[in-house]
Amino acid sequence: DAGVTQSPTHLIKTRGQQVTLRCSPKSGHDTVSWYQQALGQGPQFIFQYYEEEERQRGNFPDRFSGHQFPNYSSELNVNALLLGDSALYLCASSSTGLAGVYSYEQYFGPGTRLTVT
Amino acid sequence: AQSVTQLGSHVSVSEGALVLLRCNYSSSVPPYLFWYVQYPNQGLQLLLKYTTGATLVKGINGFEAEFKKSETSFHLTKPSAHMSDAAEYFCAVSASGTYKYIFGTGTRLKVLA
Repeated sequence: DAGVTQSPTHLIKTRGQQVTLRCSPKSGHDTVSWYQQALGQGPQFIFQYYEEEERQRGNFPDRFSGHQFPNYSSELNVNALLLGDSALYLCASSSTGLAGVYSYEQYFGPGTRLTVT
Repeated sequence: AQSVTQLGSHVSVSEGALVLLRCNYSSSVPPYLFWYVQYPNQGLQLLLKYTTGATLVKGINGFEAEFKKSETSFHLTKPSAHMSDAAEYFCAVSASGTYKYIFGTGTRLKVLA
């Protein structure tokens, strides 16, 4: 049973560029959340996707956007990169299900380390 | 609104000693509480969770935590530390009506031989 997978593992970008990070949820999960973890900090919630729509958003600017595909996988896009966007980006999957009952247990992937120079 | 405070950014214990990592939360609604562990250059692994029911929760690797509403605490304990327990530990809170987790700033556990 594959867990949450993320790609790429590492990425180096220049200020002003755009980046796309990818996540495949754990088998049986239909909900994907994204978090940003700056060095020495706890993860910060960016947004959550369910049924291909953004269900909840944290305090991040519009430069951060996402998408969820019919197979439940997800992308995180960041435009106009800033030095401060350098961080570990974590994807977490969970289950909502057809009845709409959300399971509050989130499983995290290994993360994508983004460095902006 | 919810928040989490982890007291002690660094904790050192001797191998075989008790591990106690502190977490206090603030929540205007009944909270759901979690402890995660993060090893270097890895993602977060769920150790244990409290949603409803029994307030003493047992998790993986011998860890447990007790939900104390009156103290707004959810401290993580393990009777005997192993070298393999050295890692960063995060406490998180969520609640019905919100889907996001609010994480603490983490506690780095060092185990001394």
